[in-house]
Amino acid sequence: GQSLEQPSEVTAVEGAIVQINCTYQTSGFYGLSWYQQHDGGAPTFLSYNALDGLEETGRFSSFLSRSDSYGYLLLQELQMKDSASYFCAVLNQAGTALIFGKGTTLSVSS
Amino acid sequence: ETGVTQTPRHLVMGMTNKKSLKCEQHLGHNAMYWYKQSAKKPLELMFVYSLEERVENNSVPSRFSPECPNSSHLFLHLHTLQPEDSALYLCASSQDRRGGSPLHFGNGTRLTVT
Repeated sequence: GQSLEQPSEVTAVEGAIVQINCTYQTSGFYGLSWYQQHDGGAPTFLSYNALDGLEETGRFSSFLSRSDSYGYLLLQELQMKDSASYFCAVLNQAGTALIFGKGTTLSVSS
Repeated sequence: ETGVTQTPRHLVMGMTNKKSLKCEQHLGHNAMYWYKQSAKKPLELMFVYSLEERVENNSVPSRFSPECPNSSHLFLHLHTLQPEDSALYLCASSQDRRGGSPLHFGNGTRLTVT
């Protein structure tokens, strides 16, 4: 079967760096995606890694290690507005749509 | 109007009612999806349509019936629902179904079944 594991909660203070890990199990792998969802809002796309390594987009970076079936989202210079849920996702086995992890709730305090 | 629009934003229905959720995308995308989000199972895939053809039914009970009349519109028809069906129903679209094709979500319909 398929599964994605990520921590349920992470807390940090403004200005800090936080890493949200995601391990996955899937028979066919086509890349790892990350989405952000603020309370009461819609999930929004953050990043996609198809190849090993680090992809940087401003304060957010995403890393993938295909050999370890592992990736992470790195958030730097944390701001209060970064408080949200973060989901990792992979294509389902049928290759028709993304399936998501249970999400990590990030709480940023001042 | 741009993006993905869902109506209504909130819906309360009894177990014997019939209602429909509507989703419209103005992005020119070829794929559309229904996801269910609840506290117990966040972001659970329900249905996938590609070029108006259903390509995935993720073991969803028949009391949920999707319809995709064209590539811009997606409906979810609801009948004889159960209280455990109360959840946030999210519609999404993407350019295609490749893994790197980002999903664009609507704001969802918050459904309460009484």
